[in-house]
Amino acid sequence: EAGVTQFPSHSVIEKGQTVTLRCDPISGHDNLYWYRRVMGKEIKFLLHFVKESKQDESGMPNNRFLAERTGGTYSTLKVQPAELEDSGVYFCASSQQDNEKLFFGSGTQLSVL
Amino acid sequence: SQKIEQNSEALNIQEGKTATLTCNYTNYSPAYLQWYRQDPGRGPVFLLLIRENEKEKRKERLKVTFDTTLKQSLFHITASQPADSATYLCALDVNTGFQKLVFGTGTRLLVSP
Repeated sequence: EAGVTQFPSHSVIEKGQTVTLRCDPISGHDNLYWYRRVMGKEIKFLLHFVKESKQDESGMPNNRFLAERTGGTYSTLKVQPAELEDSGVYFCASSQQDNEKLFFGSGTQLSVL
Repeated sequence: SQKIEQNSEALNIQEGKTATLTCNYTNYSPAYLQWYRQDPGRGPVFLLLIRENEKEKRKERLKVTFDTTLKQSLFHITASQPADSATYLCALDVNTGFQKLVFGTGTRLLVSP
């Protein structure tokens, strides 16, 4: 069984540019989460999808971040325009319905210069 | 304020000994607590979940305790091996019914041969 896949694994962009991160959850997992870890800090929740619907986006830092999950399969997280403080590792995770166990991807390391 | 604390200093132990990691939290009332393992460049991997009405949970060489009065969880690895070297994260749910987890910063474990 394929795990959670994230692309790209690394992205280096300049301040003001746009970056789109992609996450492919485990097939059949309705729940999809985005988390982020900035340097020296703990992993923090960004948002949660159930299928294609956003259930909770309370962790999104500001309106420069836009997450989508069209069709309830893969998800994208776009940062536009990127700022220096957006640098960090962005993790995607998925889980089955009514199951607390989260499966994480390897993350996308985003560096904004 | 709400806080989850894990020992930020690395824990160094000899192979074969028992490693004990601590997770303390304040101003949370989690329904359950999870422990994850994270290796460099990888996403967290789920290890164990313990619910608020459970005192102890075991899985192979792993044991987790949960004291809701002390607001503390202990994570034990018995007969530790160099392959157990990793960062271990505790995570609490915030009682939303979904996996909106709040993570500690993690404790790095180093097991020497």
